[in-house]
Amino acid sequence: EAQVTQNPRYLITVTGKKLTVTCSQNMNHEYMSWYRQDPGLGLRQIYYSMNVEVTDKGDVPEGYKVSRKEKRNFPLILESPSPNQTSLYFCASSLGTLSPLHFGNGTRLTVT
Amino acid sequence: DAKTTQPNSMESNEEEPVHLPCNHSTISGTDYIHWYRQLPSQGPEYVIHGLTSNVNNRMASLAIAEDRKSSTLILHRATLRDAAVYYCIPPYNNNDMRFGAGTRLTVKP
Repeated sequence: EAQVTQNPRYLITVTGKKLTVTCSQNMNHEYMSWYRQDPGLGLRQIYYSMNVEVTDKGDVPEGYKVSRKEKRNFPLILESPSPNQTSLYFCASSLGTLSPLHFGNGTRLTVT
Repeated sequence: DAKTTQPNSMESNEEEPVHLPCNHSTISGTDYIHWYRQLPSQGPEYVIHGLTSNVNNRMASLAIAEDRKSSTLILHRATLRDAAVYYCIPPYNNNDMRFGAGTRLTVKP
């Protein structure tokens, strides 16, 4: 089944403890992206990647890192999480620019 | 950059058609209009997209005004499973889909 898989679904952590949220897609998509969703602010793009080894900042990249070493994986890294990064995170992928996006089921992160 | 305006919420009765409007008066001539929806506790889901003419797929129809300043997503027979937030999105830059607040659709049995 074609899908975007994020792990974990839920994560509770403490301020400053490095964490990684994984994202993997099995559709051979070139484009991948991370969003965060907060009440009243909608979905905001954090980072995106047009292809392997090519990443770029979205609207709200501060405090986040990404890497794209393989086509299928696009992990989101929080080197030193803070409470304002408590949010619902979505990974998405598509064939390319302007193609329909496929979203994962989300990761709910709480930073205390 | 293209901006969109959608009603905050709409209601529909089950098995009736639903017309969800979107204004995008600043859209450029080459921008496609994409529609996504987000069901409760799920990630957004692609619904449909189009450029100039009306588009149909198994989920919905998209009617785009001749001047491209507005579009309407049409659900031909709403079901309870169609209750969701619907987003109308013209792409920003290179596929940065700017999701606004969308329209929350409530379907009444």
